Amino acid sequence: SSELTQDPAVSVALGQTVRITCQGVSLTTYYATWYQQKPGQAPLLVFYGKNTRPSGIPDRFSGSSSGNTASLTITGAQAEDEADYYCMSRDTSVNHFFGTGTKVTVL
Amino acid sequence: QVTLKESGPALLKPTQTLTLTCTFSGFSLSTSGMRLNWIRQPPGKALEWLARIDWDDDKFYSTSLKTRLTISKDTSKNQVVLIMTNVDPVDTAKYYCATLGPDAFDIWGQGTMVTVSS
Repeated sequence: SSELTQDPAVSVALGQTVRITCQGVSLTTYYATWYQQKPGQAPLLVFYGKNTRPSGIPDRFSGSSSGNTASLTITGAQAEDEADYYCMSRDTSVNHFFGTGTKVTVL
Repeated sequence: QVTLKESGPALLKPTQTLTLTCTFSGFSLSTSGMRLNWIRQPPGKALEWLARIDWDDDKFYSTSLKTRLTISKDTSKNQVVLIMTNVDPVDTAKYYCATLGPDAFDIWGQGTMVTVSS
């Protein structure tokens, strides 16, 4: 299946921890890739693979995976982390697909 | 510095054919492992992957749109073209080209907005 399901919205108090989840059958085979998208901007890669954060992404962003669920955790959320977050995966035919997206609000 | 820039018509009528061009710099699409993807995002909605072309000219398409899409590259011009036939208002979206890897080589263009309306 090509569906990746995310919670539509989550909120987090400034400085607290929030976990964003992504569920889908493909995640039992492939790691999720995570993107952050702020209004009017192109998505930005924030985490990928088993445990890789691109250069320049703060270490408060981390990822994990278990079964058919991938998670992106922001530990000590900052105001600038307020954005939409999308997971992405693929299938064996190299089709890629994105999750439904989660809007993170920092209170 | 790697950059990608999308170009194409801002407005189309239903049933017309959409041709989008991604012009890039800072890397070569003839280098092993390189690829370029097209992704779109309707206003207020989620991202949708459309197609990918690899350095060796392998091509991959969204299952739901494959009958309407054609992707091609011109390595000498550093361009990738996406053609979408028979557009409909539901195709109204911002269209992005992006590398999506390999690994952290994940670069996106600024996107180009396409509106389909009669």
